[in-house]
Amino acid sequence: GDSVTQMEGPVTLSEEAFLTINCTYTATGYPSLFWYVQYPGEGLQLLLKATKADDKGSNKGFEATYRKETTSFHLEKGSVQVSDSAVYFCAQGGSEKLVFGKGTKLTVNP
Amino acid sequence: KAGVTQTPRYLIKTRGQQVTLSCSPISGHRSVSWYQQTPGQGLQFLFEYFSETQRNKGNFPGRFSGRQFSNSRSEMNVSTLELGDSALYLCASSPLGQGREAKNIQYFGAGTRLSVL
Repeated sequence: GDSVTQMEGPVTLSEEAFLTINCTYTATGYPSLFWYVQYPGEGLQLLLKATKADDKGSNKGFEATYRKETTSFHLEKGSVQVSDSAVYFCAQGGSEKLVFGKGTKLTVNP
Repeated sequence: KAGVTQTPRYLIKTRGQQVTLSCSPISGHRSVSWYQQTPGQGLQFLFEYFSETQRNKGNFPGRFSGRQFSNSRSEMNVSTLELGDSALYLCASSPLGQGREAKNIQYFGAGTRLSVL
């Protein structure tokens, strides 16, 4: 069945460091791909999305490119801030159902 | 536009009881999905409703049920609660109900945290 695998962390970085969180998926078709972020005590917020191969999603300095050949959607940011500390979830699907990875907890220290 | 609203935010129940959680979607959204989030299993899909009909169901026992009303508001019910049902229950709404297009993004509420004692 459909699944998403992402590095579970936790990941601890210093402010202004480069961030990569790996995400790969298995699917029968060509799903839409998403990154959601969850801050403590809150629900999920959509960070970025991509709907087809080679699409690049971007938001707030974060980027991810839909790579069909490697079935991947890695999240990157060139310079993280303390305010980026949160749990990041990779997901595939659409309005009917989302399949999530286990989440990666990111802590950014000043 | 108001976001997805879930009530209550926190709930404490005892084993064997039943519970009903409520979700009001973003105005105009017709698709509502429910997810269970636990530290061990992560985020798991429960079910999805569109126009008062359940279209998708995850792999949960029959104790978990839901419904959607004509105004798109949704409720989920868990009967005969078990300790393992303690979790954050998240509701999400989506503007369209067909296909996997980019605009069918799911918007999440803050969740209801259920503790079963």
